[in-house]
Amino acid sequence: AQSVTQPDIHITVSEGASLELRCNYSYGATPYLFWYVQSPGQGLQLLLKYFSGDTLVQGIKGFEAEFKRSQSSFNLRKPSVHWSDAAEYFCAVDRGSARQLTFGSGTQLTVLP
Amino acid sequence: NAGVTQTPKFQVLKTGQSMTLQCAQDMNHNSMYWYRQDPGMGLRLIYYSASEGTTDKGEVPNGYNVSRLNKREFSLRLESAAPSQTSVYFCASTRDTVNEKLFFGSGTQLSVL
Repeated sequence: AQSVTQPDIHITVSEGASLELRCNYSYGATPYLFWYVQSPGQGLQLLLKYFSGDTLVQGIKGFEAEFKRSQSSFNLRKPSVHWSDAAEYFCAVDRGSARQLTFGSGTQLTVLP
Repeated sequence: NAGVTQTPKFQVLKTGQSMTLQCAQDMNHNSMYWYRQDPGMGLRLIYYSASEGTTDKGEVPNGYNVSRLNKREFSLRLESAAPSQTSVYFCASTRDTVNEKLFFGSGTQLSVL
């Protein structure tokens, strides 16, 4: 069965520091991969997605993610974090049907001033 | 733009009571989804509707029913609420498949006592 693992439940970084959020998936073929962000009291918003091609994808708000097939990973990065980036981040994978996404359990990001 | 609108935002039920969560989108999307979000478990798909007139079970459909009333509206019904259904419920929509951008509502916080 396809699954998504986000090993870090909570990460704290200082404003201006770099950020990397980890995501690992288990799936036989190259999956469709996504990162969504949820601000407090809000629904989720798509940051970026990977389908094929260039393994480094750019998203909104200065985020990027790199697909590494050999490591079954799709980690999210940002060079310099802003206080407004404090939120919960979810990695997700298409289950192959194009109808259902499997979400990871999320990583809560705290940004210190 | 309203996007995806969910009502109510908050609800408290007693065990055994019934209620319907309403969802409407104004983006002319074909596909609509109901997710539940529980701490440490990410989002799990309850039901989805790929097009007007069709509905399908997701990962956790037990205890729920849905109705795709028309292209705009997709409701979720709890016939006999249980404490295990205490959760935050999100409605989402997309033009066709989950590989496009999912648009989320702001959620319904449901407590079953």
